[in-house]
Amino acid sequence: AQKITQTQPGMFVQEKEAVTLDCTYDTSDQSYGLFWYKQPSSGEMIFLIYQGSYDEQNATEGRYSLNFQKARKSANLVISASQLGDSAMYFCAMSPNAGNNRKLIWGLGTSLAVNP
Amino acid sequence: DAMVIQNPRYQVTQFGKPVTLSCSQTLNHNVMYWYQQKSSQAPKLLFHYYDKDFNNEADTPDNFQSRRPNTSFCFLDIRSPGLGDAAMYLCATSSDLGAPYNEQFFGPGTRLTVL
Repeated sequence: AQKITQTQPGMFVQEKEAVTLDCTYDTSDQSYGLFWYKQPSSGEMIFLIYQGSYDEQNATEGRYSLNFQKARKSANLVISASQLGDSAMYFCAMSPNAGNNRKLIWGLGTSLAVNP
Repeated sequence: DAMVIQNPRYQVTQFGKPVTLSCSQTLNHNVMYWYQQKSSQAPKLLFHYYDKDFNNEADTPDNFQSRRPNTSFCFLDIRSPGLGDAAMYLCATSSDLGAPYNEQFFGPGTRLTVL
């Protein structure tokens, strides 16, 4: 069965430091996509970054990068130079690429607090 | 800006009183989703529309219904809300047309309180 595991319920980081949020996944599919979403206390789910299973390079989007290790089935999110506005819940999710299954499989999330 | 809009942002209803939540999108996406998210939990997919085709999740209670009258709008109807239905309801959209992956765009959510 497909599954996403986020083992860190809560994380703290000092402002301006980097932080890594862990995500491991389980799937027997060869083709899949991995996502990270941010959810501030306001509730809106914000897309951050995507990694395709066939992408050879790690995805980057500004201060966000995804450390993709396919053999270990991990897709950790790295946030560089943390800002106070980064305090939020972070969800890792997985989806098959295209096809008829459009569901996202979600992890339980990691709550990140950025300290000034 | 193209976006997903949900109204109202906050909804208070009474136990057993029907309530409708609305979602609209200007992205012209062909897929629309409704999620239920309870405090400190991941979003739970209730159902989704692929164009006009309705896809219900097996564990979605019959109390929850949905309508999609056109591409832009989608409604979530809760026929007889119970206390356990108090949650954040998230609407999302995605496009299968030319997209290599199922990126979903979310609205701001409607926080439902049941008294």
